[in-house]
Amino acid sequence: EVQLVESGGVLVQPGRSMKLSCAASGFTFSSFPMAWVRQAPTKGLEWVATISTSGGSTYYRDSVKGRFTISRDNAKSTLYLQMDSLRSEDTATYYCTTLLQWWGQGVMVTVSS
Amino acid sequence: DVVLTQTPPTLSATIGQSVSISCRSSQSLLHSNGNTYLNWLLQRPGQPPQLLIYLVSRLESGVPNRFSGSGSGTDFTLKISGVEAEDLGVYYCVQSTHAPFTFGSGTKLEIK
Repeated sequence: EVQLVESGGVLVQPGRSMKLSCAASGFTFSSFPMAWVRQAPTKGLEWVATISTSGGSTYYRDSVKGRFTISRDNAKSTLYLQMDSLRSEDTATYYCTTLLQWWGQGVMVTVSS
Repeated sequence: DVVLTQTPPTLSATIGQSVSISCRSSQSLLHSNGNTYLNWLLQRPGQPPQLLIYLVSRLESGVPNRFSGSGSGTDFTLKISGVEAEDLGVYYCVQSTHAPFTFGSGTKLEIK
């Protein structure tokens, strides 16, 4: 059974940092490009970042470029999202996904003072 | 960025009724490799999204065949032939032809 389990979400002050993790199982993690997608409260879905299978290529939405870093550890079957200089508008549920086919349950990130 | 316009924003249906959702793109979603990367997701209340249809019309494994997708270029449709109670939620179209991926604004399906 495919599982994607996110962790790391919490309440954080504006300007601070947070790192999300997504542990994968049930499929060959290293064979799949991965992405983070977020959803602000009561809003729609928004793509955040994508990473290639090797981790050698990464892509970000403009609003997070220079602040967020997507990475992966294929040996640990884990995806990461390092989020720095957080803003209130980053408040959302963050989902990891294998480019749409499989999704985690999501982790809530709240940026507030 | 590619803008996906979904209509209607809300849909109210009775059990057994057939409904359609439209998704129009601001530019063609035909990739240079010949594929059209237009997908449909369903997000049930309190749940993560799930993939229903990919490449315009291909049904994801385990998805009931009352769901079907059609279209080409910039104009796409999701049809549910005989709505069931479990179909309630928000439907999103999403394109992965052009970077960045973009999502439609969603269509909320309510059951009368």
